[in-house]
Amino acid sequence: DTEVTQTPKHLVMGMTNKKSLKCEQHMGHRAMYWYKQKAKKPPELMFVYSYEKLSINESVPSRFSPECPNSSLLNLHLHALQPEDSALYLCASSQEEEAFFGQGTRLTVV
Amino acid sequence: AQTVTQSQPEMSVQEAETVTLSCTYDTSESNYYLFWYKQPPSRQMILVIRQEAYKQQNATENRFSVNFQKAAKSFSLKISDSQLGDTAMYFCAFMKKNTGNQFYFGTGTSLTVIP
Repeated sequence: DTEVTQTPKHLVMGMTNKKSLKCEQHMGHRAMYWYKQKAKKPPELMFVYSYEKLSINESVPSRFSPECPNSSLLNLHLHALQPEDSALYLCASSQEEEAFFGQGTRLTVV
Repeated sequence: AQTVTQSQPEMSVQEAETVTLSCTYDTSESNYYLFWYKQPPSRQMILVIRQEAYKQQNATENRFSVNFQKAAKSFSLKISDSQLGDTAMYFCAFMKKNTGNQFYFGTGTSLTVIP
């Protein structure tokens, strides 16, 4: 199983809503990532978890809150987002020198 | 800091023809990996090919091959016998070894294969 599964695939939320994005992998990878991607742009790193601990936070606003409940799961909690936060949110996991990406969650903030 | 540059925002190629996508990078590291990822309209980032910096031999994967010029810090991707399914965004990426797999992506090249 070389899949990274993200849910939901699409999400529309209001600026006062609270929602969560989920990511799951069963490859035994110890590093997991959240990326944000705008249209026709490369992915931008948001967070890195290594062995279930947050190791990198790329100065992401606090309205994005990551969580790693166990080695297979990664969540991204969203609260009080702005319309400019609308983007594709990609999860990835890696071991050694290769990263596997999920299909992403298309988030629209209205 | 590491930077990755893709100077061709858009390219097109006739089906069955060959196309080369360019990538240059800047680093002071000696031990690193380079990648080409493909992102079709389905959105999923798919690894196309990987090159380890210490290996002189150019990586190949079926119709995909790279021209790795370490001294020039160049890493181009050649796609032979282009197929309609090759239509996608292609991202060149750099990763230092042993850094928790932090990728540095180029700005991408949008490739269209024309029937």
